[in-house]
Amino acid sequence: EAGVAQSPRYKIIEKRQSVAFWCNPISGHATLYWYQQILGQGPKLLIQFQNNGVVDDSQLPKDRFSAERLKGVDSTLKIQPAKLEDSAVYLCASSGQGIQETQYFGPGTRLLVL
Amino acid sequence: GNSVTQMEGPVTLSEEAFLTINCTYTATGYPSLFWYVQYPGEGLQLLLKATKADDKGSNKGFEATYRKETTSFHLEKGSVQVSDSAVYFCALAGANSKLTFGKGITLSVRP
Repeated sequence: EAGVAQSPRYKIIEKRQSVAFWCNPISGHATLYWYQQILGQGPKLLIQFQNNGVVDDSQLPKDRFSAERLKGVDSTLKIQPAKLEDSAVYLCASSGQGIQETQYFGPGTRLLVL
Repeated sequence: GNSVTQMEGPVTLSEEAFLTINCTYTATGYPSLFWYVQYPGEGLQLLLKATKADDKGSNKGFEATYRKETTSFHLEKGSVQVSDSAVYFCALAGANSKLTFGKGITLSVRP
């Protein structure tokens, strides 16, 4: 079974520019998550989707970050405008619909903001 | 809110040494507990999990027991290998499936 796919793997931008990340979850997984992992820290949840609806976006900086999951499959995460402190690895994960289902992670997108 | 505390690192061991990585948690209700591993240049992978008190998760020679009385989920391996060198994250999932991670600890195993 194919895993969670993410692209691009690396991205370098200047501050105030915009950037978008793409995620394709494991086939059939209803729940999709975006995490931010700053160097030296554990991943922090940004947003959780159940199908194409948002379950939790309490930690998403909504003034600059946005995410969507059209048709309940693929998802994009956008940052506009980027700040230096947004430099991190952005991880996408997916899981089944049950409670406390195991989350499977993609390889991540490493973002550097200069 | 939920939180996970891992012992400070990094940890450096010789091959075949015994490994213990401590993890304690604070949570409401009955969370599931996980260990994830991140090998160099790769994404997070689930290593093992336990969903209720006294459950033992195990995989690749690693074990961890869900101890509700001490709110702990320590990771152990009897004999580490060079290939175990990675970053290890303890995590919990509450009723809403939201994962809360610890800071992670880097393990280096010398030949």
